Amino acid sequence: DAGVIQSPRHEVTEMGQEVTLRCKPISGHDYLFWYRQTMMRGLELLIYFNNNVPIDDSGMPEDRFSAKMPNASFSTLKIQPSEPRDSAVYFCASHWRKNTEAFFGQGTRLTVV
Amino acid sequence: AQTVTQSQPEMSVQEAETVTLSCTYDTSESDYYLFWYKQPPSRQMILVIRQEAYKQQNATENRFSVNFQKAAKSFSLKISDSQLGDAAMYFCAYRSGVYSGGGADGLTFGKGTHLIIQP
Repeated sequence: DAGVIQSPRHEVTEMGQEVTLRCKPISGHDYLFWYRQTMMRGLELLIYFNNNVPIDDSGMPEDRFSAKMPNASFSTLKIQPSEPRDSAVYFCASHWRKNTEAFFGQGTRLTVV
Repeated sequence: AQTVTQSQPEMSVQEAETVTLSCTYDTSESDYYLFWYKQPPSRQMILVIRQEAYKQQNATENRFSVNFQKAAKSFSLKISDSQLGDAAMYFCAYRSGVYSGGGADGLTFGKGTHLIIQP
């Protein structure tokens, strides 16, 4: 398996623009997580899905953030409109219910200027 | 809510020496998992080792071992025979267990320890 795949690896956008981050989890994994990493706040959970259904989005910072998982092999995290304080590395991770190990993608470094 | 604390922002060790990274956590749950993740400059999050709370035996993976003190809520990582490739950020993480009612609540991370290996 290729592991968790995220795209793009890097994204630079202007304030006010819409940004969409993408994630393909490992096949067979039924849990998918989105995390954000910043120097100030460290790694924090934004939202997670189980069997494509959002379970907990309490970590989503604002209504400008939204996430979807239309099928078992694809998820998106959208920021609209983007702001400079959204600059961070965004990670996607997946795991199987009976397996405690979460596998991470390589992350997307987002820079909003 | 669970919290994870790593009190050492940075540690330095000579190559081939042993280093221990500290981690404490706070929880009221009895069923949980603890992890150490490594994040090299490539920023990939790599699982180093994991420990199930119900297991008394400390986990070991080659040069990496943990000292799990459940009563003290301490979970330190020992790296033996340090190598240059061990240089990275190390994150301690907590996750609720299946029997805590939230077996997939996501990971709660500490702030990390930057490990420097001196050649």
